[in-house]
Amino acid sequence: GQQLNQSPQSMFIQEGEDVSMNCTSSSIFNTWLWYKQDPGEGPVLLIALYKAGELTSNGRLTAQFGITRKDSFLNISASIPSDVGIYFCAGIRGSRLTFGEGTQLTVNP
Amino acid sequence: NAGVTQTPKFRVLKTGQSMTLLCAQDMNHEYMYWYRQDPGMGLRLIHYSVGEGTTAKGEVPDGYNVSRLKKQNFLLGLESAAPSQTSVYFCASSQTTSGGPGDTQYFGPGTRLTVL
Repeated sequence: GQQLNQSPQSMFIQEGEDVSMNCTSSSIFNTWLWYKQDPGEGPVLLIALYKAGELTSNGRLTAQFGITRKDSFLNISASIPSDVGIYFCAGIRGSRLTFGEGTQLTVNP
Repeated sequence: NAGVTQTPKFRVLKTGQSMTLLCAQDMNHEYMYWYRQDPGMGLRLIHYSVGEGTTAKGEVPDGYNVSRLKKQNFLLGLESAAPSQTSVYFCASSQTTSGGPGDTQYFGPGTRLTVL
């Protein structure tokens, strides 16, 4: 089946640092999504990407849809303590949404 | 709009018991999904529905059944619960799957199920 490789699995950073995480796949996706999940909550959409090469920002977050349609990255600039959580990439192809395994982000004040 | 809601939020079952998880969405979305989330494995699709009265198998369908009798509701059933079904279950919905903003899936808050 389709698989997404998300890295890194975890990150420990200081407040104010920039963060970068990415997802790669051997399969092509038509849409890439980035979600954040807080403890005890469902995933919440951060950024959606619909076209190869697309670069989209949402506040301090920036994400790109890889030109090959097989990868995507998410950057967070000037991290703050509330950025703590698990970040998931997800690719859509047809009716299926495939998730990466998540990146656990810890921000030290 | 409440978005996607799930009931119950928590449940403890004994092996062999049955239960039904309810998902409701008020966004008039055509597509609905059930996922399970286990530590270190992200979210995996159990079953999904492309419209009222239709269901289809996802990645890990064994041991589960679903029904979509009304457009706004998607039910997930466990006929004979097993410890391996201990997990957090998430429901999601989307308007389309044809490419574009309508493909975005919106998630409920989750149901934490423990099977003893």
